[in-house]
Amino acid sequence: NAGVTQTPKFRVLKTGQSMTLLCAQDMNHEYMYWYRQDPGMGLRLIHYSVGEGTTAKGEVPDGYNVSRLKKQNFLLGLESAAPSQTSVYFCASSYSWQGGETQYFGPGTRLLVL
Amino acid sequence: AQKVTQAQTEISVVEKEDVTLDCVYETRDTTYYLFWYKQPPSGELVFLIRRNSFDEQNEISGRYSWNFQKSTSSFNFTITASQVVDSAVYFCALSESRYGNKLVFGAGTILRVKS
Repeated sequence: NAGVTQTPKFRVLKTGQSMTLLCAQDMNHEYMYWYRQDPGMGLRLIHYSVGEGTTAKGEVPDGYNVSRLKKQNFLLGLESAAPSQTSVYFCASSYSWQGGETQYFGPGTRLLVL
Repeated sequence: AQKVTQAQTEISVVEKEDVTLDCVYETRDTTYYLFWYKQPPSGELVFLIRRNSFDEQNEISGRYSWNFQKSTSSFNFTITASQVVDSAVYFCALSESRYGNKLVFGAGTILRVKS
C-alpha cells in the first residue's frame, strides 16, 4: 500500500500560469482533503470532498478549484497562479467523515510562484 | 469558533532533557477531538495521537505522554529524555463533531534537540 501519494513533489511557476496537483490514495477512503502549509500558520483547509463527484470549500478556497472524478483521486487546480500561493500543499484522506477520524497525509508538494 | 494556539514557536533542548509542548484550544462544541502530528525534517506529517473530549485520561506511549485538561482547555505533549530524532515541527489540531472531520491546526512548535 502506497497510502497517499502526491504529484509533483516540487514545482516552480510564473505568475499567471496554471497547474494541477494530483493526489491519489489506495486505501479506499471516501473523504479527501487539500491543505496548505505556510510558515507560522500551521495547515489550513482549502477544499475537501466527501465522496466521488462532490467537493466543498474549506477555510481558504479562493484561487483554487478541485475535482473528484474518481474515488481514489483528488485534484487541486490553480488557474492563474499568484505569489501568495507559494506554499507547501498537503493532501489527506480519511475513512469516514465522523469527527475524530484519523486523516492520513501525503508527502506534500512544494510550490514556488515567481 | 474553533481555534488552536501553540504559543511556543520554537524550543531548543539538549539531548536527554524532558520537554513539554503546549496546546490550548477553543471550542463551543461539547464533542470534539484533539490530535498531535509530527513533521520531521523530511516533511511528511505523522499522526501521533487522538483524544476525544470525553476521555481526560492521560496517555503514555514510550517516551511520549499527553496531558488533557478540559478545565484549562489544554492538551499538552511531553517528551521524556529527548533524542535528536525528536527534532521536528509538532502540530496540535482540533476537530469539532458538528463540522465533521475538518481539522483546525495550531501554528506548530519547532523542537530542536541538540546532542
